Amino acid sequence: NAGVMQNPRHLVRRRGQEARLRCSPMKGHSHVYWYRQLPEEGLKFMVYLQKENIIDESGMPKERFSAEFPKEGPSILRIQQVVRGDSAAYFCASSPQGRNIQYFGAGTRLSVL
Amino acid sequence: AQTVTQSQPEMSVQEAETVTLSCTYDTSESDYYLFWYKQPPSRQMILVIRQEAYKQQNATENRFSVNFQKAAKSFSLKISDSQLGDAAMYFCAYVSGSRLTFGEGTQLTVNP
Repeated sequence: NAGVMQNPRHLVRRRGQEARLRCSPMKGHSHVYWYRQLPEEGLKFMVYLQKENIIDESGMPKERFSAEFPKEGPSILRIQQVVRGDSAAYFCASSPQGRNIQYFGAGTRLSVL
Repeated sequence: AQTVTQSQPEMSVQEAETVTLSCTYDTSESDYYLFWYKQPPSRQMILVIRQEAYKQQNATENRFSVNFQKAAKSFSLKISDSQLGDAAMYFCAYVSGSRLTFGEGTQLTVNP
């Protein structure tokens, strides 16, 4: 049973470009969460999605950031017009229906030049 | 809002010895879960142990155990017979509902 898969592992973008981060949850998991980890800090919640629905996006920045979890395919975290402050590790986690355990992927490290 | 506090930014332990990492949290909820996650240099987040708030018995996973004091809102992690592979950043986390709230982490060094 493959774990949570995130790609790419490392992503380099120049200021003003778009970043697209992908997350495939564990098999059988229908809940996906995105977290951001700034250097030397703990993880901060961004958004919680189920298939085709955003359940809680209270941790998402109001502008430039969006997330989706389509009926088919991985969840996507999209950052438009990236700035240097977006440089961080972005983690995806998944959980099965009705369970409170979240399993994490290896993260995507975004570097904005 | 729920908060999680880890008051020890860094800890060190000798190989084969025991170390305890502290964590306190603040919540008005009665039904919640607590976790310890380990983040080694690879940066992968690895679940170490889980505790349900309604269970009085402390969770144990091999060399890892917790001391859960619900009234004091304290959730410490004890690592017995420490191994070099235990060296990592350890995060305490709380969940009620959906989102995880993490502490700032404790960097554990294991000395040979």
